[in-house]
Amino acid sequence: QVQLVQSGSELKKPGASVMVSCKASGYSFSTYAINWVRQAPGQGLEWMGWINTNTGNPTYAQGFTGRLVLSLDTSVSTAYLHISSLQADDTAVYYCARGCGGGCHDAFDIWGQGTLVTVSS
Amino acid sequence: SSELTQDPAVSVALGQTVRITCQGDSLRSYYASWYQQKPGQAPALVIHSKNNRPSGIPDRFSGSNSGDTASLTITGAQAEDEADYYCNSRDRSGYHWVFGGGTKLTVL
Repeated sequence: QVQLVQSGSELKKPGASVMVSCKASGYSFSTYAINWVRQAPGQGLEWMGWINTNTGNPTYAQGFTGRLVLSLDTSVSTAYLHISSLQADDTAVYYCARGCGGGCHDAFDIWGQGTLVTVSS
Repeated sequence: SSELTQDPAVSVALGQTVRITCQGDSLRSYYASWYQQKPGQAPALVIHSKNNRPSGIPDRFSGSNSGDTASLTITGAQAEDEADYYCNSRDRSGYHWVFGGGTKLTVL
């Protein structure tokens, strides 16, 4: 079935970096964009950026430019999120979500299970 | 602050109809999509392209749009509909996406 499976929880110290992976299966990976969304504890959803899985071109939300890198390994149908200079307020669940394309006006139709990143000294 | 505004909380009696709204300038140009999130779970798409339901979403969920406001309506709310609901759309630039702050729905 169509699914996105993310890597496991991470515990990081302030100033460190983290990489979260998102492996797609059940569909043609390069046909649909991958978005990244985070949710701090008890808070709402925050869109972070998206990557064109055909060209590899990323687009970042304001506030993340410079600290966030989105990348791909199309050979294994996997998208990656890398955040540097982590701070306590980066503690959140990070989700990848598939953009379903023009037919559904780019809604996010498939979501990964989420990856908890905890930043603590 | 979000470019899409939602009421923080709404309640509805079991079996009654409830409307959750989402307001923002970008909604004059772009469709909203709606997501349901239950505690400890990832969000799930319930409405896209104004009023289209993915497979498996009950037909009591519907969407509409008027001017700068998108609405999610649940007709005959069930206990299992108690959740947080988020709207999402492109922002005014058209190049980025933005979520509303979310609405916590309580079914009484």
